[in-house]
Amino acid sequence: DVKVTQSSRYLVKRTGEKVFLECVQDMDHENMFWYRQDPGLGLRLIYFSYDVKMKEKGDIPEGYSVSREKKERFSLILESASTNQTSMYLCASSVRHEQYFGPGTRLTVT
Amino acid sequence: RKEVEQDPGPFNVPEGATVAFNCTYSNSASQSFFWYRQDCRKEPKLLMSVYSSGNEDGRFTAQLNRASQYISLLIRDSKLSDSATYLCVVNDGGADGLTFGKGTHLIIQP
Repeated sequence: DVKVTQSSRYLVKRTGEKVFLECVQDMDHENMFWYRQDPGLGLRLIYFSYDVKMKEKGDIPEGYSVSREKKERFSLILESASTNQTSMYLCASSVRHEQYFGPGTRLTVT
Repeated sequence: RKEVEQDPGPFNVPEGATVAFNCTYSNSASQSFFWYRQDCRKEPKLLMSVYSSGNEDGRFTAQLNRASQYISLLIRDSKLSDSATYLCVVNDGGADGLTFGKGTHLIIQP
């Protein structure tokens, strides 16, 4: 079974803090994705990566950056957290367009 | 802009009944299609792929109508455990992976 893990299930941060969300997959997938999910808005793609050190902007990249130094690990960075970044963050990896999600990190920015 | 539209529901259905819901997509060049299931406060999980010829997996049947650009999911003999949100997902063949609908909320009542 594919396993995608995320570093935290719940996280509370203060406005202006730098936040790191880590995602690791164990199936040697080349493609990895970061989404946020909000009520009424569904899943929205923040960034994705098709290879090590490669990154592409998704639909809502503003306020975020990413890092992919190793194939199995894809990190999402909030340089200066804001309250409108309070959300559920979901990481996924994929093969043949079938995406496998991690359990999510519920981030609250106060 | 790529669009995947679903009726958000909720669909309240008695246990044992048959329920069906549709999803429409805007991009006629879309290449592959999926249904994902998401339980409350959990990550989305792949339920089934949708093939041009239609496909069946136990009590679940998925159909694709390319001419009308919609996908359907039929659940027969519904169980309480089928209660979840069902996400319609489309691959447009672009570099940014999948486009997710906002989901249809299904509640199976005893």
